Amino acid sequence: GDSVTQTEGPVTVSESESLIINCTYSATSIAYPNLFWYVRYPGEGLQLLLKVITAGQKGSSRGFEATYNKETTSFHLQKASVQESDSAVYYCALGAHSNNRIFFGDGTQLVVKP
Amino acid sequence: EAAVTQSPRNKVTVTGGNVTLSCRQTNSHNYMYWYRQDTGHGLRLIHYSYGAGNLQIGDVPDGYKATRTTQEDFFLLLELASPSQTSLYFCASRDWGEDTQYFGPGTRLLVL
Repeated sequence: GDSVTQTEGPVTVSESESLIINCTYSATSIAYPNLFWYVRYPGEGLQLLLKVITAGQKGSSRGFEATYNKETTSFHLQKASVQESDSAVYYCALGAHSNNRIFFGDGTQLVVKP
Repeated sequence: EAAVTQSPRNKVTVTGGNVTLSCRQTNSHNYMYWYRQDTGHGLRLIHYSYGAGNLQIGDVPDGYKATRTTQEDFFLLLELASPSQTSLYFCASRDWGEDTQYFGPGTRLLVL
């Protein structure tokens, strides 16, 4: 089926250190999946962080970036230098225009220590 | 950007109780969704709808009913709440032809 697997949290990183949250996907019913990273800050709903709809392309937002790798079916989230305000839960997801829904990973809680 | 609101934000009920969670979106999106979020499970889709009067079954529908009364309003009904339904519930909306979903702030439900 269609599914997403991501790094199990919590992930704890010190401020100004680099970050990578791994995400791999399986898209059996979606020929050309779109890939997303959503973020949920404490007390808020999920919001879109970035999305990429074309294999081989990179998306970026707020210093985060992720590259759509069709060969390895991966969409890892990276940031060179995290800030305390990046503490949140990050969700990798896949979907398609033709599909009515998005498949979410389990979420990875990121804790950034000052 | 779409505005999605949920009420109540927090709810406590007892086993067997009757609970209604409300969701409203103000940008007239076609699709609306109800998810539950539990540790270790990510977001699981309960029900969704593509318009007033329509209802589609999600992945974890047992114990839940839903009703889309208008383009803006989507309700999740727990008629006999059980402790296993203690969770964080999110509503989302999306427009036809778009793939980005816009989420409400969530409702935390505790069933004692």
